[in-house]
Amino acid sequence: DAKTTQPPSMDCAEGRAANLPCNHSTISGNEYVYWYRQIHSQGPQYIIHGLKNNETNEMASLIITEDRKSSTLILPHATLRDTAVYYCIVRFPQGGSEKLVFGKGTKLTVNP
Amino acid sequence: NAGVTQTPKFQVLKTGQSMTLQCAQDMNHNSMYWYRQDPGMGLRLIYYSASEGTTDKGEVPNGYNVSRLNKREFSLRLESAAPSQTSVYFCASRGRTSGAETQYFGPGTRLLVL
Repeated sequence: DAKTTQPPSMDCAEGRAANLPCNHSTISGNEYVYWYRQIHSQGPQYIIHGLKNNETNEMASLIITEDRKSSTLILPHATLRDTAVYYCIVRFPQGGSEKLVFGKGTKLTVNP
Repeated sequence: NAGVTQTPKFQVLKTGQSMTLQCAQDMNHNSMYWYRQDPGMGLRLIYYSASEGTTDKGEVPNGYNVSRLNKREFSLRLESAAPSQTSVYFCASRGRTSGAETQYFGPGTRLLVL
């Protein structure tokens, strides 16, 4: 699996957009980019995933560069409840034998 | 739907004691997983079950056993607990719920081994 690099921490003001970067320069053509987050003491929560097109859902947007070597997760209007550790994972979907590899992620703090 | 549930929420064991962590999902998912998370670290996969009747080792299986009791339930057993197994344990299931096929996690079991 391709490795990912994320900044260890970021801050964002409440109501502003939070842009979380992820570098995955060794990604292969059939690997997807997944984002999860973990709010303190809770289980990880799926946010979004994509292959090469930009994706948007009710939680966030995912922007993947044309060369696919990096991506950005965007929370358009961050709230205090978005304070969490955000994990970027690159993975080829393998159905039931899929094994997600979690790094240390980015700790996002949303400030009032 | 309750999603993925885990019991107990907290447990304290003495070295050498045994216990079983329970996990159940009501989303009709085929695949289930057990992870552990140590302080300041990401999750590491212990065991997984791609489908009912099958189990496979993950990254850190030593000291653990699992049982896929049926499609809903996947248990993790510590036969002889060691302080190094102090951790937070998360169960997950994989399937398509609310649009995306991905893994959905339970709330975790916090285990302290003295």
